[in-house]
Amino acid sequence: GQNIDQPTEMTATEGAIVQINCTYQTSGFNGLFWYQQHAGEAPTFLSYNVLDGLEEKGRFSSFLSRSKGYSYLLLKELQMKDSASYLCAVMDSNYQLIWGAGTKLIIKP
Amino acid sequence: IAGITQAPTSQILAAGRRMTLRCTQDMRHNAMYWYRQDLGLGLRLIHYSNTAGTTGKGEVPDGYSVSRANTDDFPLTLASAVPSQTSVYFCASSDSGDPQETQYFGPGTRLLVL
Repeated sequence: GQNIDQPTEMTATEGAIVQINCTYQTSGFNGLFWYQQHAGEAPTFLSYNVLDGLEEKGRFSSFLSRSKGYSYLLLKELQMKDSASYLCAVMDSNYQLIWGAGTKLIIKP
Repeated sequence: IAGITQAPTSQILAAGRRMTLRCTQDMRHNAMYWYRQDLGLGLRLIHYSNTAGTTGKGEVPDGYSVSRANTDDFPLTLASAVPSQTSVYFCASSDSGDPQETQYFGPGTRLLVL
């Protein structure tokens, strides 16, 4: 079966750095996405990785290792507005997205 | 404002009733999707459409039907609602011309079936 695993909840301090991990087992791989979802709102696109390595976009970076079936999202200089759920999703061989349950990130002052 | 709209925003529905959730996008995206999101679970695909006139079944299609008469609209129908269909429903779309095929989501419909 297909499976995406990520921690249920994480807590971090304002101004700090946090790394949210995601491991996956899917039938095929056509890219990995990270989305941000604030409570009561729709998911919004953050990043996309299809090749191994680090993609940096401002305070957010995303890393991929296809051989390990592993990705992480790195958030730097945390702000209170970063409190949200972060969803990892993998596009499988049928070009359908398989979603993790999400990691709820709590930022404390 | 460009994007995806969904209606209604929320709904309380008696079990056994028929309900159609509406979704409209103005981005001229080829592909559209319906997901449900339940606490503790990832987004689960109900139905999808790669282009107007075609539809396909996702992971959890039972009890739901869709149609895609044109590019912009992708309604989801619950023929006879049951309490297990209580969920938040998100419509999404993507452009097949985008190599990433990033999906863009509507604001969601919160449905409670009693």
